[in-house]
Amino acid sequence: DAGVIQSPRHEVTEMGQEVTLRCKPISGHDYLFWYRQTMMRGLELLIYFNNNVPIDDSGMPEDRFSAKMPNASFSTLKIQPSEPRDSAVYFCASSSLSGSNEQFFGPGTRLTVL
Amino acid sequence: AQSVSQHNHHVILSEAASLELGCNYSYGGTVNLFWYVQYPGQHLQLLLKYFSGDPLVKGIKGFEAEFIKSKFSFNLRKPSVQWSDTAEYFCAVNANTDKLIFGTGTRLQVFP
Repeated sequence: DAGVIQSPRHEVTEMGQEVTLRCKPISGHDYLFWYRQTMMRGLELLIYFNNNVPIDDSGMPEDRFSAKMPNASFSTLKIQPSEPRDSAVYFCASSSLSGSNEQFFGPGTRLTVL
Repeated sequence: AQSVSQHNHHVILSEAASLELGCNYSYGGTVNLFWYVQYPGQHLQLLLKYFSGDPLVKGIKGFEAEFIKSKFSFNLRKPSVQWSDTAEYFCAVNANTDKLIFGTGTRLQVFP
């Protein structure tokens, strides 16, 4: 299995631009999680899906952030408009059977907003 | 609210020294416990996990952790660290939800 796939690995953009991060979970996993990691705040859960349905988006910082999962093999996290404080590493993770099971993390997208 | 505390924010050791990283959680019921490792520039990888059974859990690369229910703790140990263990270590807890609650992480630096 290829593991969780994320793209792009690095993104540099200017303030105000739209940013779209992509994630392909491990085949057969029915939970998908989006995290943000910064030095100041550590690892934060933004949103998670079960069977493509958003279950808890309480970690999404504000309306500029949105996430979708149109099918079992693809999810996006969009930031519009982006701001410098959004600079972070964004991880996607997936798990099977239950969200309480082990989560497998992708390589992350390092986002820099200038 | 559920929370996870990792009291050691930064640990510096010499090779061959013993390691113990603390993890405490706040939840009185049944928990699943995890330790993840993040090597520099990489993603999080599972070191070990505890769901039930023997409270002493052995993981990869010589790591182990002990679940002490009465102390709400799940400390990570390794008898002899190597330079390649330099990384950030995260404790995580699941308590009857679909989410993992992560601690703030402990940065370990091992010098040759």
